[in-house]
Amino acid sequence: DIQLTQSPSSLSASVGDRVTITCRASQGISTYLNWYKHKVGRAPKLLIHVASTLQTGVPPRFRGSGSGTEFTLTINDLQPEDFATYYCHQSYSLPQTFGQGTKVEMK
Amino acid sequence: QVQLVESGGGVVQPGTSLRLSCAASGFTFSRHALHWARQAPGKGLEWVAGISYDGSDTYSAESVKGRFTISRDDSKSTLTLLMSSLRAEDTAVYYCARDWYYDIRGQGYLDDWGQGTLVAVSS
Repeated sequence: DIQLTQSPSSLSASVGDRVTITCRASQGISTYLNWYKHKVGRAPKLLIHVASTLQTGVPPRFRGSGSGTEFTLTINDLQPEDFATYYCHQSYSLPQTFGQGTKVEMK
Repeated sequence: QVQLVESGGGVVQPGTSLRLSCAASGFTFSRHALHWARQAPGKGLEWVAGISYDGSDTYSAESVKGRFTISRDDSKSTLTLLMSSLRAEDTAVYYCARDWYYDIRGQGYLDDWGQGTLVAVSS
């Protein structure tokens, strides 16, 4: 199975900050890496697919990059609604897997 | 718009069975692969199982293999997860999700999700 390791596991930030989350895969997954935002009690929301493609309707302050084994999600100009947990997800091979999550909290 | 509504969760005893359903609307159900994922209390998301657009290909996580069965009924636009031999560690919110792609091996992504249904396994 492909393991995805996110760092950091949590971070504190303020509105207007830039936040960067890293996801490392245990083997190469090309660009088959997706990012989701999840708030407790809500449905997870797709932000970025195929490493860097912004999902329709997602604000351009979200940016994804990377390929192979290292990927990054950057949130520019953090907004109040962005405080949530973020997960990376690989669909390169079965079983599909998620990273352990990165919780973005208000400082 | 796309809607996915899970149902069937509840409190059950270890060793028993439970059937979860996901009612879909707002898209051509038969064209998409579908998945179940879960989130245990205090834990992250875990992919559970996936099924291809025509039901010919399924795959489950090792943690549920042999106990959980994913299936679909295109005539009713419904995804099902039959869970048997339930364990305390299966306690979680279960989500159904639509794959953008038709194949679970197609390197797709989960572009729509339901709100989830809670399963609690406890004696």
